[in-house]
Parts: sequence; C-alpha cells; structure tokens
Amino acid sequence: NAGVMQNPRHLVRRRGQEARLRCSPMKGHSHVYWYRQLPEEGLKFMVYLQKENIIDESGMPKERFSAEFPKEGPSILRIQQVVRGDSAAYFCASSGQGRTNTEAFFGQGTRLTVV
Amino acid sequence: GQSLEQPSEVTAVEGAIVQINCTYQTSGFYGLSWYQQHDGGAPTFLSYNALDGLEETGRFSSFLSRSDSYGYLLLQELQMKDSASYFCAVRQSYNTDKLIFGTGTRLQVFP
Repeated sequence: NAGVMQNPRHLVRRRGQEARLRCSPMKGHSHVYWYRQLPEEGLKFMVYLQKENIIDESGMPKERFSAEFPKEGPSILRIQQVVRGDSAAYFCASSGQGRTNTEAFFGQGTRLTVV
Repeated sequence: GQSLEQPSEVTAVEGAIVQINCTYQTSGFYGLSWYQQHDGGAPTFLSYNALDGLEETGRFSSFLSRSDSYGYLLLQELQMKDSASYFCAVRQSYNTDKLIFGTGTRLQVFP
C-alpha cells in the first residue's frame, strides 16, 4: 500500500521557466492538500483539491501558481515564470473521501531550487 | 490573523523529558495535531487532541486546553533519533483536513 507519492524529489529551474510538481495520493484517497515550506519555517497551506474541483485556494498566490486534480492521474501544482523566492519544499497530503481524518499523510516533498 | 507560536529551539540529553508548548490563535478550532519532521524528510503524524486533556502514545503525550488556546507535546525517555523539528497544527473545522501549522521547534538531543 504505497503512501503519498510526489515527484520529482528535487527540481532545478532557471528563473522564468515553469515548474510542474506531481502528487499521487494514497490509494482510496480523493482529497489532496498542497503546502509550501521555506527553509527553517513551518508549512504554509496553499490549496485543497478534490477530484476535478478546487475546494479552497486561499493560500495560493494570485499569479503564476495553479493547481489541478484531474479525474485520472496525479494532482499537479504548476508554477509559471519561477523566481528565486519560489525556492522551497512543496509537500502534498492526502485524505479519504467522505471521511474526516485526524492524521494527514504527507508525501516526501519536492524541493524546488530556482537558479 | 492566524498564528501558532512555539519555542524556536529546545535542547535536552538522552533519557530526559522535554515539553514543547504551542499557543494558538485561529479563526476556527476543531483539533490540535503534532507532527515530527527530520531534516529533508516529510512531516509525520504524532498525535491529535480534539478534547481537553492528555493523550498518551508510547513515549509521546500531547495535552490540550481549549479555554487557554494552548497545548503541549511531551517527549519522554529521549533518544538521539528524536532530534528533529516538531510542529503543532490546528485543524479548523470538521469537514476539512486543512492544517494551519506552527512555527516549529527544533529539538536537539545530546548524548
């Protein structure tokens, strides 16, 4: 029973390029949460998605960032025209449909470095 | 605004007991969780309190006082492998697993 899978684990992009981060939730889970963690800081909520729906994007920057969770395939967090300040670890967590968890299951994260 | 405050760093020796405090101020509150994160790793769940009182899970215990907007994580019989960052996190409502994380406490355990 695989856990939450994120790829790539490490991603290097030049300023102005696009970054695509992928998250496959745990088997049977249909809710995905994306978080960003800057060095030496806590995780900051970005967006909450269910299959084909964005439920809460209150933590997403208004520009350059977008997220999707299609009916088939992983959830994608896309960052367009990356800047140095986007360098961070991006984690996703998943939970089950119609069930409230007390535990969030996190992936190993994607560490984005913008050069 | 929303904030969860924790001490930035705590040090202790192997075998000791350490308490990490968390005070929170959020627009909604449904429960308080604790997560452990080793350098370069993913946050892993430790415990959860929805009601006032103490929850014990092996060497780790967590306490919540909703009236004081305060909780703590207690780690007993410290081991070197407990050296990590510890985060408290608030879940704001029953119908979402969205978490608001604290600033994190870095625990260093010395031999």
